[in-house]
Amino acid sequence: KNQVEQSPQSLIILEGKNCTLQCNYTVSPFSNLRWYKQDTGRGPVSLTIMTFSENTKSNGRYTATLDADTKQSSLHITASQLSDSASYICVVISYNNNDMRFGAGTRLTVKP
Amino acid sequence: DTAVSQTPKYLVTQMGNDKSIKCEQNLGHDTMYWYKQDSKKFLKIMFSYNNKELIINETVPNRFSPKSPDKAHLNLHINSLELGDSAVYFCASSHRQGIGYTFGSGTRLTVV
Repeated sequence: KNQVEQSPQSLIILEGKNCTLQCNYTVSPFSNLRWYKQDTGRGPVSLTIMTFSENTKSNGRYTATLDADTKQSSLHITASQLSDSASYICVVISYNNNDMRFGAGTRLTVKP
Repeated sequence: DTAVSQTPKYLVTQMGNDKSIKCEQNLGHDTMYWYKQDSKKFLKIMFSYNNKELIINETVPNRFSPKSPDKAHLNLHINSLELGDSAVYFCASSHRQGIGYTFGSGTRLTVV
């Protein structure tokens, strides 16, 4: 079983709408959690880095939350734009050798 | 097991040597990637192939050459290794639309 589970696998929304992507993990011991945006044909862009003590962190229209007790994170996108269409990958880093564990990503499509 | 497998997991080699890291996926994905983890644990894409065709080639030294004999394999060959090449390299695959990202467990390359 993957140690990082993301949902939904894919999502289609209309431009201007909000959406929330989920990431649940079992990675332990936990160091930090990162959300990446990867456009088709491009490399990943780091959106947020969440450490154990951080509950919420924003980056423009992107807001990530972290509940380290339930091992859940979410990425909320506000007022979506066509350029938000991409895959969003959740990555959890463990203190054990700084191992990285990857979610399968959520493919977001924003339609006009 | 269905997975992305990359070998070796650890590679220690001397400067100037030529080495290869192999990656294979049996998920039926048509896109494969190589990423490098930088010193701050950020992912940087190096190459991406779709059905054996190169679609992403970021600015990496010419000493790095990907080879995709078929869509299930994407190997990374590195010539004349340098100290700065020491890093963790991740292979990944996905469907062309960026759905279902699956990452290998990483290869920790140490150049001495």
